[in-house]
Amino acid sequence: AQSVTQPDIHITVSEGASLELRCNYSYGATPYLFWYVQSPGQGLQLLLKYFSGDTLVQGIKGFEAEFKRSQSSFNLRKPSVHWSDAAEYFCAVGAQNAGNMLTFGGGTRLMVKP
Amino acid sequence: GAVVSQHPSRVICKSGTSVKIECRSLDFQATTMFWYRQFPKKSLMLMATSNEGSKATYEQGVEKDKFLINHASLTLSTLTVTSAHPEDSSFYICSARWSGGTYEQYFGPGTRLTVT
Repeated sequence: AQSVTQPDIHITVSEGASLELRCNYSYGATPYLFWYVQSPGQGLQLLLKYFSGDTLVQGIKGFEAEFKRSQSSFNLRKPSVHWSDAAEYFCAVGAQNAGNMLTFGGGTRLMVKP
Repeated sequence: GAVVSQHPSRVICKSGTSVKIECRSLDFQATTMFWYRQFPKKSLMLMATSNEGSKATYEQGVEKDKFLINHASLTLSTLTVTSAHPEDSSFYICSARWSGGTYEQYFGPGTRLTVT
């Protein structure tokens, strides 16, 4: 069974600083990996996804993530954080042979200091 | 594109009553829809997977007689919480997977259920 770990429950960064949110997964085959963002009381918005190919994936809102098979990681990065980026971020792994169900990490709450 | 709506966004009901939540894919056909439950400050817990025209597949520990799921068309799935109790109060989120074959899920805005 697949699993996802987001080691950081909370992260606080200053506006304009760089950001990296960690995600480690466990899955027996090549995973499908996703990052979603959730604002309070809202649903989830897809930031980016990795299926195959280039291991550096570009997403919306200036985010990118890098798939590192050797480290079983898919960390999310942004070079310069904006106050509007404050939200909850979820990493997820999908399995083709399990009806495309997603397994989510516990989430990382990002707070942005002015 | 890929917009998913949920209705209602908030609902308050009395203990013992039933409430229905609708999930619609507005601009694409979804052969598979998923229902999640999210507790405060927690991650999403998959409740069930529903495929159009067939019975839903429930995750372990989710009572199928309490959480009735119907996926009658390629754009609509409903979750009915029957005989609701205060412990059913939660944030319920649906997602839909495009039938075209990609693997990402598009999420609805969620429904906040409060049972009094």
